Amino acid sequence: EVQLVESGGGLVQPGGPLRLSCGAYGKVLSNYWMSWVRQAPGKGLEWVASIKRDGSEKYYADSVKGRFTISRDNAKNLLYLQMNSLRVEDTAIYYCAKLLGDVTVYDLWGQGTMVTVSS
Amino acid sequence: EVVLTQSPATLSLSPGERATLSCRASQSVGTYLAWYQQKPGQAPRFLMYDASSRATGIPARFSGSGSGTDFTLTISSLLPDDAATYYCQHYTSYPITFGQGTRLEIK
Repeated sequence: EVQLVESGGGLVQPGGPLRLSCGAYGKVLSNYWMSWVRQAPGKGLEWVASIKRDGSEKYYADSVKGRFTISRDNAKNLLYLQMNSLRVEDTAIYYCAKLLGDVTVYDLWGQGTMVTVSS
Repeated sequence: EVVLTQSPATLSLSPGERATLSCRASQSVGTYLAWYQQKPGQAPRFLMYDASSRATGIPARFSGSGSGTDFTLTISSLLPDDAATYYCQHYTSYPITFGQGTRLEIK
């Protein structure tokens, strides 16, 4: 069964860093564009960042630009989200999601990992 | 940035009825519009793309229509399992944005 599995979430103080990982099982991540999408408690979906198959193109939401970095290690079949200068408003479930070919729609999602930013 | 407005916020219908969910864009997105279903405690599920193309494995009860700024997701003959929040998403260009969601309740 094809799966995306996120890890690395947890409780962090405002201003602190955290790195999320996403592993693919049953799929070779290097074949796909990938994204991070988040969902604050009780709220809707918010696109965070996207990365091209080879990592040569990256796109970020304005709300995280300059603070978050999306990256990938295709040899390890892993996707990352390095989050720095975290704010209370970054508290959310973070999903990694696979794009459908070159189309920026998400046909496979992980189960999500919770990030809580609080003092 | 394209703003997507979904209506109604909540829809309450009985099994067997037809649900009509609306998504309006602040500017034309052509047919670059997708739909997702999300149940409590679960990740979103991909339903539809290009406004009217069903994703793999999605039953024909789900249909999409529209272009430009006005889009509709129709679920014919509702089942109890259709209870969920439904989100639209555009993908004309970055930033990608989602609507705020329509919660569908099955009586």
